[in-house]
Amino acid sequence: GAGVSQSPSNKVTEKGKDVELRCDPISGHTALYWYRQSLGQGLEFLIYFQGNSAPDKSGLPSDRFSAERTGGSVSTLTIQRTQQEDSAVYLCASSLDGYNEQFFGPGTRLTVL
Amino acid sequence: RKEVEQDPGPFNVPEGATVAFNCTYSNSASQSFFWYRQDCRKEPKLLMSVYSSGNEDGRFTAQLNRASQYISLLIRDSKLSDSATYLCVVRRGGSYIPTFGRGTSLIVHP
Repeated sequence: GAGVSQSPSNKVTEKGKDVELRCDPISGHTALYWYRQSLGQGLEFLIYFQGNSAPDKSGLPSDRFSAERTGGSVSTLTIQRTQQEDSAVYLCASSLDGYNEQFFGPGTRLTVL
Repeated sequence: RKEVEQDPGPFNVPEGATVAFNCTYSNSASQSFFWYRQDCRKEPKLLMSVYSSGNEDGRFTAQLNRASQYISLLIRDSKLSDSATYLCVVRRGGSYIPTFGRGTSLIVHP
Protein backbone atom coordinates (compact mmCIF):
# COMPACT_ATOMS: atom_id res chain seq x y z
CA GLY A 1 0.00 0.00 0.00
CA ALA A 2 0.96 3.66 -0.20
CA GLY A 3 3.45 4.95 2.33
CA VAL A 4 3.66 8.33 3.98
CA SER A 5 3.82 11.14 1.46
CA GLN A 6 4.98 14.70 1.95
CA SER A 7 4.86 17.80 -0.18
CA PRO A 8 6.63 19.76 -1.39
CA SER A 9 9.85 17.76 -1.51
CA ASN A 10 11.85 20.97 -1.59
CA LYS A 11 10.94 24.49 -0.57
CA VAL A 12 13.09 27.58 -0.88
CA THR A 13 11.72 30.71 0.72
CA GLU A 14 12.85 34.11 1.81
CA LYS A 15 13.34 35.08 5.41
CA GLY A 16 10.12 36.40 6.89
CA LYS A 17 7.76 34.48 4.61
CA ASP A 18 5.30 31.85 5.82
CA VAL A 19 5.49 28.24 4.61
CA GLU A 20 3.12 25.27 4.76
CA LEU A 21 4.32 21.69 4.65
CA ARG A 22 1.93 18.84 4.04
CA CYS A 23 1.91 15.24 5.24
CA ASP A 24 -0.35 12.42 4.11
CA PRO A 25 -0.02 9.48 6.54
CA ILE A 26 -0.60 5.81 5.86
CA SER A 27 -4.32 5.11 5.70
CA GLY A 28 -5.64 3.84 9.01
CA HIS A 29 -2.73 5.12 11.08
CA THR A 30 -4.04 7.12 14.00
CA ALA A 31 -0.72 8.53 15.16
CA LEU A 32 1.17 11.22 13.25
CA TYR A 33 4.46 12.87 14.13
CA TRP A 34 6.47 15.80 12.83
CA TYR A 35 10.23 15.96 13.26
CA ARG A 36 12.94 18.14 11.90
CA GLN A 37 16.51 17.23 11.13
CA SER A 38 19.24 19.75 10.54
CA LEU A 39 22.27 18.77 8.48
CA GLY A 40 24.33 16.18 10.32
CA GLN A 41 22.07 16.28 13.37
CA GLY A 42 19.63 13.91 14.98
CA LEU A 43 15.84 13.98 14.77
CA GLU A 44 14.16 16.71 16.75
CA PHE A 45 10.56 15.94 17.78
CA LEU A 46 8.13 18.75 17.02
CA ILE A 47 4.52 17.64 17.48
CA TYR A 48 2.38 14.50 17.84
CA PHE A 49 -1.24 13.83 16.89
CA GLN A 50 -3.26 10.84 18.09
CA GLY A 51 -6.72 10.41 16.65
CA ASN A 52 -9.01 13.21 17.75
CA SER A 53 -7.09 13.97 20.94
CA ALA A 54 -5.40 17.30 21.57
CA PRO A 55 -1.92 17.23 20.01
CA ASP A 56 1.28 17.08 22.04
CA LYS A 57 3.01 20.31 21.04
CA SER A 58 5.85 20.03 23.50
CA GLY A 59 8.56 19.97 20.82
CA LEU A 60 7.57 23.08 18.88
CA PRO A 61 10.56 25.45 19.13
CA SER A 62 8.59 28.70 19.05
CA ASP A 63 5.11 30.11 18.56
CA ARG A 64 5.95 30.64 14.89
CA PHE A 65 5.40 26.91 14.45
CA SER A 66 1.93 25.37 14.36
CA ALA A 67 0.33 22.27 12.94
CA GLU A 68 -3.11 20.93 12.21
CA ARG A 69 -4.48 17.54 11.38
CA THR A 70 -7.79 17.57 9.61
CA GLY A 71 -10.22 14.67 9.86
CA GLY A 72 -7.61 12.53 11.55
CA SER A 73 -5.68 12.21 8.31
CA VAL A 74 -3.70 14.87 6.44
CA SER A 75 -1.54 17.19 8.49
CA THR A 76 -0.10 20.61 7.73
CA LEU A 77 2.89 22.14 9.51
CA THR A 78 3.01 25.92 9.22
CA ILE A 79 6.03 28.06 9.94
CA GLN A 80 5.35 31.78 10.12
CA ARG A 81 7.95 34.49 9.56
CA THR A 82 10.62 31.97 8.64
CA GLN A 83 14.15 32.45 9.89
CA GLN A 84 17.40 31.07 8.47
CA GLU A 85 17.73 28.71 11.43
CA ASP A 86 14.47 27.05 10.33
CA SER A 87 16.36 25.56 7.37
CA ALA A 88 16.22 21.79 7.81
CA VAL A 89 14.52 18.65 6.57
CA TYR A 90 11.03 18.32 8.01
CA LEU A 91 10.00 14.69 8.38
CA CYS A 92 6.55 13.33 8.98
CA ALA A 93 5.93 9.83 10.34
CA SER A 94 2.82 7.81 11.06
CA SER A 95 2.21 4.85 13.32
CA LEU A 96 -0.74 2.50 13.59
CA ASP A 97 -1.53 3.48 17.17
CA GLY A 98 1.44 5.29 18.66
CA TYR A 99 2.86 2.16 20.27
CA ASN A 100 4.19 0.48 17.17
CA GLU A 101 6.93 1.34 14.73
CA GLN A 102 6.84 4.58 12.78
CA PHE A 103 6.96 4.92 9.04
CA PHE A 104 8.54 8.06 7.66
CA GLY A 105 7.78 10.14 4.64
CA PRO A 106 10.58 11.34 2.35
CA GLY A 107 10.68 14.74 4.03
CA THR A 108 10.51 18.34 2.90
CA ARG A 109 13.85 20.10 2.57
CA LEU A 110 13.28 23.71 3.62
CA THR A 111 15.83 26.38 2.78
CA VAL A 112 15.35 29.88 4.13
CA LEU A 113 17.45 32.47 2.34
CA ARG B 1 22.75 11.60 30.96
CA LYS B 2 20.97 11.51 27.61
CA GLU B 3 17.90 9.32 27.38
CA VAL B 4 19.34 7.36 24.45
CA GLU B 5 23.05 7.24 23.68
CA GLN B 6 24.94 5.83 20.74
CA ASP B 7 28.56 5.86 19.69
CA PRO B 8 28.51 8.12 16.61
CA GLY B 9 31.39 6.21 14.96
CA PRO B 10 32.14 6.00 12.14
CA PHE B 11 32.68 2.27 12.18
CA ASN B 12 34.84 1.54 9.18
CA VAL B 13 34.81 -2.16 8.25
CA PRO B 14 35.70 -4.29 5.22
CA GLU B 15 33.11 -6.22 3.28
CA GLY B 16 32.33 -9.51 4.93
CA ALA B 17 33.15 -8.33 8.43
CA THR B 18 30.90 -8.68 11.45
CA VAL B 19 30.14 -5.45 13.28
CA ALA B 20 28.12 -4.68 16.39
CA PHE B 21 26.63 -1.49 17.77
CA ASN B 22 25.27 -0.83 21.21
CA CYS B 23 22.75 1.73 22.34
CA THR B 24 22.17 2.57 26.00
CA TYR B 25 18.98 4.02 27.42
CA SER B 26 18.47 5.71 30.75
CA ASN B 27 14.79 5.14 31.52
CA SER B 28 14.13 1.75 33.09
CA ALA B 29 10.44 2.09 32.17
CA SER B 30 11.29 1.85 28.46
CA GLN B 31 9.10 -0.68 26.72
CA SER B 32 9.60 -0.58 22.96
CA PHE B 33 12.86 -0.69 21.09
CA PHE B 34 13.68 -0.37 17.42
CA TRP B 35 16.60 -0.05 15.04
CA TYR B 36 16.24 2.20 12.01
CA ARG B 37 18.70 2.86 9.24
CA GLN B 38 19.08 6.21 7.56
CA ASP B 39 20.91 6.65 4.30
CA CYS B 40 22.49 9.98 3.46
CA ARG B 41 19.82 12.61 2.72
CA LYS B 42 17.02 10.05 3.05
CA GLU B 43 14.35 9.37 5.63
CA PRO B 44 14.84 6.80 8.43
CA LYS B 45 13.55 3.34 7.59
CA LEU B 46 12.67 0.63 10.06
CA LEU B 47 15.28 -2.08 10.15
CA MET B 48 13.85 -4.19 12.93
CA SER B 49 11.99 -4.13 16.19
CA VAL B 50 13.85 -5.49 19.20
CA TYR B 51 12.11 -8.10 21.29
CA SER B 52 12.93 -9.23 24.80
CA SER B 53 14.02 -12.65 23.62
CA GLY B 54 16.20 -11.21 20.88
CA ASN B 55 15.44 -11.55 17.21
CA GLU B 56 17.15 -12.19 13.94
CA ASP B 57 16.42 -11.11 10.39
CA GLY B 58 18.84 -12.54 7.90
CA ARG B 59 22.27 -11.08 8.61
CA PHE B 60 20.93 -8.81 11.35
CA THR B 61 20.49 -9.76 15.00
CA ALA B 62 19.06 -7.51 17.67
CA GLN B 63 19.33 -8.08 21.41
CA LEU B 64 17.85 -6.38 24.46
CA ASN B 65 19.56 -6.35 27.84
CA ARG B 66 17.11 -4.87 30.33
CA ALA B 67 19.39 -5.34 33.34
CA SER B 68 22.11 -3.20 31.80
CA GLN B 69 19.68 -1.07 29.82
CA TYR B 70 21.07 -1.42 26.36
CA ILE B 71 20.14 -2.84 23.00
CA SER B 72 22.52 -4.12 20.39
CA LEU B 73 22.59 -4.68 16.66
CA LEU B 74 24.88 -7.25 15.08
CA ILE B 75 25.48 -7.26 11.34
CA ARG B 76 27.17 -10.32 9.88
CA ASP B 77 28.82 -10.57 6.46
CA SER B 78 28.70 -6.80 5.91
CA LYS B 79 27.80 -5.56 2.45
CA LEU B 80 28.71 -2.26 0.82
CA SER B 81 24.98 -1.48 0.86
CA ASP B 82 24.94 -1.68 4.66
CA SER B 83 26.76 1.66 4.77
CA ALA B 84 24.36 4.00 6.54
CA THR B 85 23.60 5.58 9.88
CA TYR B 86 21.87 3.25 12.33
CA LEU B 87 19.41 4.90 14.71
CA CYS B 88 18.40 3.43 18.01
CA VAL B 89 14.83 4.24 19.06
CA VAL B 90 13.37 3.76 22.52
CA ARG B 91 9.83 4.36 23.75
CA ARG B 92 9.09 4.43 27.45
CA GLY B 93 5.91 2.99 28.86
CA GLY B 94 2.95 5.35 28.86
CA SER B 95 4.44 7.61 26.20
CA TYR B 96 3.55 7.72 22.53
CA ILE B 97 6.66 9.70 21.69
CA PRO B 98 9.77 7.64 21.06
CA THR B 99 13.26 8.98 21.60
CA PHE B 100 15.77 8.68 18.79
CA GLY B 101 19.47 8.30 19.33
CA ARG B 102 21.84 10.42 17.27
CA GLY B 103 22.87 7.38 15.27
CA THR B 104 25.97 5.31 14.57
CA SER B 105 27.63 5.71 11.21
CA LEU B 106 28.75 2.54 9.43
CA ILE B 107 31.03 2.57 6.41
CA VAL B 108 31.64 -0.73 4.67
CA HIS B 109 34.56 -0.61 2.24
CA PRO B 110 35.67 -3.07 -0.46
